[in-house]
Amino acid sequence: SQKIEQNSEALNIQEGKTATLTCNYTNYSPAYLQWYRQDPGRGPVFLLLIRENEKEKRKERLKVTFDTTLKQSLFHITASQPADSATYLCALVPNAGNMLTFGGGTRLMVKP
Amino acid sequence: NAGVMQNPRHLVRRRGQEARLRCSPMKGHSHVYWYRQLPEEGLKFMVYLQKENIIDESGMPKERFSAEFPKEGPSILRIQQVVRGDSAAYFCASSPGRLGASGAEQFFGPGTRLTVL
Repeated sequence: SQKIEQNSEALNIQEGKTATLTCNYTNYSPAYLQWYRQDPGRGPVFLLLIRENEKEKRKERLKVTFDTTLKQSLFHITASQPADSATYLCALVPNAGNMLTFGGGTRLMVKP
Repeated sequence: NAGVMQNPRHLVRRRGQEARLRCSPMKGHSHVYWYRQLPEEGLKFMVYLQKENIIDESGMPKERFSAEFPKEGPSILRIQQVVRGDSAAYFCASSPGRLGASGAEQFFGPGTRLTVL
């Protein structure tokens, strides 16, 4: 069966450290993968998109990698800040798909 | 430039009543998606619409749920004869292009939180 899995346990890190979140998928052939941030009571906000032919993408303190052999994407936040505390969702679109399929999200807590 | 608008933000219904959720996409976006987020669960796709057309409703329950996106006005998600299991946050998203073709990001609204008593 098709699955997108993110670590359901909260990730607690100290301010200034790098946070690394994992997204694994099975039985998908995604054209690309997206990462979103969701704060409590709000809708997801788009952060980054990485295509299947890209290994790495960066945006300010954010970095995403995409390994189609391992079927895994890693999401990094460098120099983390308490304001980065939120739930982070990975989502993919299977080739020729019409919708985003989301992982369950990982909650990140950055402590000052 | 207003983002995706959803109303109401909170909706309380008794079992058996109807719920109507509205979504106005971002200006210039003609692709609308509805997702449902159950408590402590991830977002699940429900339906994808373009103006006046349902493109993909593979995530929509076969009974009691319907969606439309008329030529004029917002997209509507309608739930008839609500049950307690329908209690969830319903999010609408819009995009300027079709996901599969363009890799377009989706812009989400703030959601409607439906509570069924």
